[in-house]
Amino acid sequence: SAVISQKPSRDICQRGTSLTIQCQVDSQVTMMFWYRQQPGQSLTLIATANQGSEATYESGFVIDKFPISRPNLTFSTLTVSNMSPEDSSIYLCSAMTGDYGYTFGSGTRLTVV
Amino acid sequence: TQLLEQSPQFLSIQEGENLTVYCNSSSVFSSLQWYRQEPGEGPVLLVTVVTGGEVKKLKRLTFQFGDARKDSSLHITAAQPGDTGLYLCAGPSSGSRLTFGEGTQLTVNP
Repeated sequence: SAVISQKPSRDICQRGTSLTIQCQVDSQVTMMFWYRQQPGQSLTLIATANQGSEATYESGFVIDKFPISRPNLTFSTLTVSNMSPEDSSIYLCSAMTGDYGYTFGSGTRLTVV
Repeated sequence: TQLLEQSPQFLSIQEGENLTVYCNSSSVFSSLQWYRQEPGEGPVLLVTVVTGGEVKKLKRLTFQFGDARKDSSLHITAAQPGDTGLYLCAGPSSGSRLTFGEGTQLTVNP
């Protein structure tokens, strides 16, 4: 199955700054997904990123706050902009890597102070 | 919107006990998946069930898909501390998205 490398694994950031999270897949994938997760809780989808088109955002998430890039079929970035403590969370990327299977990155644990 | 209700939310048991986690919906799913997530890692796919009534076994884990494809269960026999983790059921929704259940945080005490 595919492997997704996500970085950074964790970061502590000052409020008002931005952080860009990167995900690299070891094979070409059509769709990539970005999630947010509070520790011990379920995943909330932020947006779907297709190569060559703008990301599709879920209700409650906007492009100005979470800009996404998808320059090719193996790479995507999520930026958390103008951060506040409420943005402290785990951010995960994912890709559909089989008929049914989804592979996830190991997550980025973000703390905003 | 298809929703998945997962129960229980928390489960703390002793090593050697059996347990069952449930995933229910009012909607029909073409398939359901079960993931396990450990701290500091992303969810890892355990199994996909596709056919109504299907039963799949993965060592001490038994997964069942309901006949009507609206529910699924995960049964663990003789749980071990290594089974500790967050268990998530998930099903496909529009646009290849995944809908996740709320998750079950399992702790197996030695």
